[in-house]
Amino acid sequence: DTAVSQTPKYLVTQMGNDKSIKCEQNLGHDTMYWYKQDSKKFLKIMFSYNNKELIINETVPNRFSPKSPDKAHLNLHINSLELGDSAVYFCASSQPGRQETQYFGPGTRLLVL
Amino acid sequence: RKEVEQDPGPFNVPEGATVAFNCTYSNSASQSFFWYRQDCRKEPKLLMSVYSSGNEDGRFTAQLNRASQYISLLIRDSKLSDSATYLCVVNIRGSGDKLTFGTGTRLAVRP
Repeated sequence: DTAVSQTPKYLVTQMGNDKSIKCEQNLGHDTMYWYKQDSKKFLKIMFSYNNKELIINETVPNRFSPKSPDKAHLNLHINSLELGDSAVYFCASSQPGRQETQYFGPGTRLLVL
Repeated sequence: RKEVEQDPGPFNVPEGATVAFNCTYSNSASQSFFWYRQDCRKEPKLLMSVYSSGNEDGRFTAQLNRASQYISLLIRDSKLSDSATYLCVVNIRGSGDKLTFGTGTRLAVRP
């Protein structure tokens, strides 16, 4: 029974393409996040949504657009992919005020060629 | 300067050894502290929170020194299954639910 799931697990694409990554959580959490982990393993928050409302938006290029159709889903759309976008993208969720217990999805490994 | 700094390692230790990791944070408004564990090619998972008075969970002991702005994790009687990357994580007052991660310290426990 997967708590936080992401699709796809792997994504290989050409520069300039547009791609989406989907995330779903069945934990009933109100808050969801997107993180990027680069080749140096540095995990950095990109966005956070609370009950479909954007609450954290780090300095991420506007080619990245999160969308939350409901509080159980937070998708990430990336336009005009660049080589530097290659990374592992993790979705996570938590309850507000319980940020220490963030449950992460398995990650999506994106490779831009 | 990174907000959360860790020695990347790797720390190579034999089974049964005791190993300690340190982490320093730069923002004095940091209010909550955690250790996460990330296995190779897996997602991070919460290992334990770090309380001001120090806390223990089985073989794992976490300490916080607010004056020096560092956090430590001690693992006693290392097991092969402890091999992973240990991420030091802080929450900064006023940042809401945002967690700031260190780059992690890699531990390799050998037979």
